[in-house]
Amino acid sequence: EAGVAQSPRYKIIEKRQSVAFWCNPISGHATLYWYQQILGQGPKLLIQFQNNGVVDDSQLPKDRFSAERLKGVDSTLKIQPAKLEDSAVYLCASTVTVRANTGELFFGEGSRLTVL
Amino acid sequence: AQSVTQLDSHVSVSEGTPVLLRCNYSSSYSPSLFWYVQHPNKGLQLLLKYTSAATLVKGINGFEAEFKKSETSFHLTKPSAHMSDAAEYFCVVGDKLIFGTGTRLQVFP
Repeated sequence: EAGVAQSPRYKIIEKRQSVAFWCNPISGHATLYWYQQILGQGPKLLIQFQNNGVVDDSQLPKDRFSAERLKGVDSTLKIQPAKLEDSAVYLCASTVTVRANTGELFFGEGSRLTVL
Repeated sequence: AQSVTQLDSHVSVSEGTPVLLRCNYSSSYSPSLFWYVQHPNKGLQLLLKYTSAATLVKGINGFEAEFKKSETSFHLTKPSAHMSDAAEYFCVVGDKLIFGTGTRLQVFP
């Protein structure tokens, strides 16, 4: 079974530029998550989708971050314009269940962003 | 609101000795709790989960954790460390999957 795919693995940009990350979850997984992991910290939830609808985006900085999952399968996370403090690993995860506390999350390897 | 505190940022053990990674949680109701492991350059992987069934939970690779409501703790243990256990471990609480800051486990030969 293929795992959660993310691209690109690494990205270096200058501040005020834009960047996009792509995630393809495990086939059949209804719920998709984007997390931000800053060096030395635990992952922080940015947004949760169930199929193509947003369940929770309370911690997404909406002035610069956006995410979509138009067909309920793959998803894109965009940052525009990027700030220095956005340097982090962006993790995508998926699960087959609707409620996270009943299921196992499967994580991708992450996209490492460096903002100069 | 729910929160989780991992009491040690680094733990070092010798191969073959016991492992203890400590986690305390805060929740107004009985939460779901998880331990995830992150090996270098690999994705996070679920070790075990507690969802209000048995208080002693067994996971993969010989790890287990005990839910203690009176102490609001969910410590991760393993009787005998292996070199391959060296990784970052995260305690996670609740429906919103709030992660702790992580504990880096080093295993010396």
